[in-house]
Amino acid sequence: AQSVTQPDIHITVSEGASLELRCNYSYGATPYLFWYVQSPGQGLQLLLKYFSGDTLVQGIKGFEAEFKRSQSSFNLRKPSVHWSDAAEYFCAVLTGGGNKLTFGTGTQLKVEL
Amino acid sequence: NAGVTQTPKFQVLKTGQSMTLQCAQDMNHNSMYWYRQDPGMGLRLIYYSASEGTTDKGEVPNGYNVSRLNKREFSLRLESAAPSQTSVYFCASSEFGRGDGYTFGSGTRLTVV
Repeated sequence: AQSVTQPDIHITVSEGASLELRCNYSYGATPYLFWYVQSPGQGLQLLLKYFSGDTLVQGIKGFEAEFKRSQSSFNLRKPSVHWSDAAEYFCAVLTGGGNKLTFGTGTQLKVEL
Repeated sequence: NAGVTQTPKFQVLKTGQSMTLQCAQDMNHNSMYWYRQDPGMGLRLIYYSASEGTTDKGEVPNGYNVSRLNKREFSLRLESAAPSQTSVYFCASSEFGRGDGYTFGSGTRLTVV
């Protein structure tokens, strides 16, 4: 069965520091992968997606992610975190049959000023 | 340019009561989805509708029913609410042929007492 694992439940970084959020997936075919961000009390917003091609994808708000097939990973990165980046981040993989998204359990990011 | 609209935003039910959560999208998307979000569990798919006229069960369908009323609207019904259904419910729509992810509504926070 398809699955997504986000091993870090909580991460705290200082403002201005770099960030890497981990995501590992389990999927038999070439995966379509996504990162979403959820601010408190809000819905989910798409940060970036990987379908094929260049394994380093750029998203909104200065985020990027790298697809590594050999490691079954799709980690999210940002060179310099801003206090407004504090939110919950979800990795997801698209599965066939109705184009369903399977989500990880999320990583809560706290930014210290 | 509303995107995905969910109503109501908040609801408190007594055990055994019924209610319908409404969802409408104005992006002409074919597919619509209902998820529930619980702490530490990410988002889990309840039901989805790949296209108008079809509905299918997701990961956690028990206790719920859905209706795809037309291309724009997809409702979720709780026939006899239980405390275990206390959650935040998100509706989403998609058109993956355009290479997009999901567009989410802002959620309905439901408490069953």
